[in-house]
Amino acid sequence: AQKITQTQPGMFVQEKEAVTLDCTYDTSDPSYGLFWYKQPSSGEMIFLIYQGSYDQQNATEGRYSLNFQKARKSANLVISASQLGDSAMYFCAMRPETSGSRLTFGEGTQLTVNP
Amino acid sequence: DVKVTQSSRYLVKRTGEKVFLECVQDMDHENMFWYRQDPGLGLRLIYFSYDVKMKEKGDIPEGYSVSREKKERFSLILESASTNQTSMYLCASRTSQGAWAFFGQGTRLTVV
Repeated sequence: AQKITQTQPGMFVQEKEAVTLDCTYDTSDPSYGLFWYKQPSSGEMIFLIYQGSYDQQNATEGRYSLNFQKARKSANLVISASQLGDSAMYFCAMRPETSGSRLTFGEGTQLTVNP
Repeated sequence: DVKVTQSSRYLVKRTGEKVFLECVQDMDHENMFWYRQDPGLGLRLIYFSYDVKMKEKGDIPEGYSVSREKKERFSLILESASTNQTSMYLCASRTSQGAWAFFGQGTRLTVV
């Protein structure tokens, strides 16, 4: 069975500062994908960034980067230069290759960006 | 852009009613999913479908069923709604070769 853990129910950051959202995972599958989604108060889940377990480099997408530490089984999301619009719930998710299409999500972290 | 559309944003139903939540995607995706989201629990998979008329139970299928008669449409059915099924329901779709899934806007269901 696979498990995703997000230990920070809530995080606060000042506008323009960087913030790291933690995510650890557990799987016995050697091949898997890791994802981060953003959920604003409107409810829609917005895909942010993807990291494959065999990717040599950490994924980056604009202000988002994924700090992937395979040995520690962690996949932290780093948001640089936070903006007020970054205030949202953030979910980490994983899909092991043996599970086919099944995505497993963490509990989520509510990020608040203060002006 | 990929579009995943859920038929309702908000629904209020009575205990014991049969409830249908509809989801349509316009990108010919093979895989479709229904998740339930509750505070502190994240998203939990109810059912998914990897092709027309194919379905597989997720982690919390009890009290739910699904239907996928056409590739673009995946329906979640609450046979007899109960108050503990009050929740946010999210539909998603993905091509079988794709990495990430695309989500609909969610349906907030209240069972009274």
